[in-house]
Amino acid sequence: QVQLQESGPGLVKPSQTLFLTCTVSGGSIDNGDSTWSWIRQPAGKGLQWIGRMFSNRKTNYSPSLKGRATISGDTSRNQFSLELRSVTAADTALYYCAAEHVVPDAFGWFDPWGQGTLVTVSS
Amino acid sequence: DILLTQSPSSLSASVGDTVTITCRASQSISSDLNWYQQKPGKAPKLLIFGASTLQSGVPSRFSGSGSGAGFTLTVSSLQPEDVGTYYCQQSYNVLVTFGQGTKVEIK
Repeated sequence: QVQLQESGPGLVKPSQTLFLTCTVSGGSIDNGDSTWSWIRQPAGKGLQWIGRMFSNRKTNYSPSLKGRATISGDTSRNQFSLELRSVTAADTALYYCAAEHVVPDAFGWFDPWGQGTLVTVSS
Repeated sequence: DILLTQSPSSLSASVGDTVTITCRASQSISSDLNWYQQKPGKAPKLLIFGASTLQSGVPSRFSGSGSGAGFTLTVSSLQPEDVGTYYCQQSYNVLVTFGQGTKVEIK
């Protein structure tokens, strides 16, 4: 079964770039049955979708990130990554990667999720 | 964006009670609505997809219904392990949105 694991620095300085990686095991990021998303959750708050990458590397992003996010994939390592530029304290959150099961002519549901990685933006 | 509004924001119920959570969409989303359970300190877990299909391994006391703009998650016979926050999510639009969550506690 597919498993996901996030990795990356837990502390990023304001105005710098946050870079996280999600390692996928038990499945391939090139599998057209899934897309690959990043979702975040500020402490005590709800879930915020950041964006997704398709198996063909096409991407969609939440407009709320105002163009600061880039999601990319590495087939050789079976990983996908999130780059979030010009971070502020408002980007402090628990960041999850998740597989989105796609269905014909529609999007689907997130399963499974990684365990999450906490990123704090502070000087 | 499609806005999802959950009600109530929190609830407290006794073991064995039937609990109902509502998710209302700002426009019709057909049956493209999914439910997740998030236990404290854990990642969200898929419960129901396509408004009413129970994910494999999820106890049958969980059920979902609805279509269009109104949806319901029902937990019949609430158990202590059901404590957590429940989120709805729409998969109708390319831009994913979640409800704000409903926190479920045991009396």
